[in-house]
Amino acid sequence: GAVVSQHPSRVICKSGTSVKIECRSLDFQATTMFWYRQFPKQSLMLMATSNEGSKATYEQGVEKDKFLINHASLTLSTLTVTSAHPEDSSFYICSALPLGVNTGELFFGEGSRLTVL
Amino acid sequence: AQSVTQLGSHVSVSEGALVLLRCNYSSSVPPYLFWYVQYPNQGLQLLLKYTSAATLVKGINGFEAEFKKSETSFHLTKPSAHMSDAAEYFCAVSEVNTGFQKLVFGTGTRLLVSP
Repeated sequence: GAVVSQHPSRVICKSGTSVKIECRSLDFQATTMFWYRQFPKQSLMLMATSNEGSKATYEQGVEKDKFLINHASLTLSTLTVTSAHPEDSSFYICSALPLGVNTGELFFGEGSRLTVL
Repeated sequence: AQSVTQLGSHVSVSEGALVLLRCNYSSSVPPYLFWYVQYPNQGLQLLLKYTSAATLVKGINGFEAEFKKSETSFHLTKPSAHMSDAAEYFCAVSEVNTGFQKLVFGTGTRLLVSP
């Protein structure tokens, strides 16, 4: 149980285009999901907290107009990288907090590697 | 604010040798602590977690970690390394009073296992 799926796992796009990444909790509901960015050989940096039915909370320094987050249901959150540029190339990972669980354990997706040409 | 320090960006061991990955935390309130493993191009998988119960925590794949409040440490160990243990390991802390939601990760330690 507690599976989180991300799609696509890899995406290549041209500079200036927008890319949407989906994060789904397959066998549980999650009011809260998190989006991270990971640069090569570095740790995960929290970008934003996605709450179902409300606006996402962005970490300091993350452009909310650049990284659009939508959490329209208890099992799906999406991250849209708008007008992508080469510096946006990175590994994006989502995690989900199961509804009603208070142990702090998060379940992570497999990650999505974005390459902007 | 809470933080995590992982000493050593790389740790190399021989197959069958003891694995020790170090993690020290800083938190103003009792922490919840986690170790995650990441294989190349994959997300994170939980190895084990400390949530204020037993201080010695056993996880998957033979790993365990001991919470030592006096040393503010949560080092990860495994008695005998396998080749399949080669991966990136992240220590993380979540403060109890923030609703356990935000995890702060260490910089990671890459475990290399040689035959």
